[in-house]
Amino acid sequence: DIQMTQSPSSVSASVGDRVTITCQASQGISSWLAWYQQKPGKAPKLLIYAASSLQSGVPSRFSGSGSGTDFTLTISSLQPEDFATYYCQQANSFPLTFGGGTKVEIK
Amino acid sequence: QVQLQESGPGLVKPSETLSLTCAVSGYSISSGYYWGWIRQPPGKGLEWIGSIYHSGSTYYNPSLKSRVTISVDTSKNQFSLKLSSVTAADTAVYYCARGTTMMNDAFDIWGQGTMVTVSS
Repeated sequence: DIQMTQSPSSVSASVGDRVTITCQASQGISSWLAWYQQKPGKAPKLLIYAASSLQSGVPSRFSGSGSGTDFTLTISSLQPEDFATYYCQQANSFPLTFGGGTKVEIK
Repeated sequence: QVQLQESGPGLVKPSETLSLTCAVSGYSISSGYYWGWIRQPPGKGLEWIGSIYHSGSTYYNPSLKSRVTISVDTSKNQFSLKLSSVTAADTAVYYCARGTTMMNDAFDIWGQGTMVTVSS
């Protein structure tokens, strides 16, 4: 199985801050990576697919980068509605696996 | 607008079979894409359970493979999950989702989730 390691597990930030979350795969997954945002009591929402493609309707302050084993999700200017937990997921091979999540909290 | 809605018992006894259905509206399930189940134990992260393609091919998480069956009912435009011999460790919110090869197999649409508790 491909292990997905996210860091940090939590981050405290203020509105307007730039936030970066990393995801490392235990083996190369090319660009088969997605990022999701989950708010309490809600289903995950797709933000980024193919490592760097922005899902329709997602604000442009979200961006993704990386290829191979190292990936990054960046929120350029944190907004109040961005406080949530973020997950990466690899789709390079079965079983599909998710990172452990990064909780973005209000500072 | 494509929507997914999970349904099924919220309480299942240990050793019994958990059965959930995901009704798809706004899209014909037999037309393409693939369909998956993902679960999330309380306070924990996401775990992929398995997926079924419109061709009928299925893929399961090896950690659950011996207990999982995913099937499609095209006449009802829905797909289902059966998980046998459940224990308390299977207590979780269960989500159904649509996967798309056009987005490098990401899950682009999710159901709202349904909480299933395993308890006697």
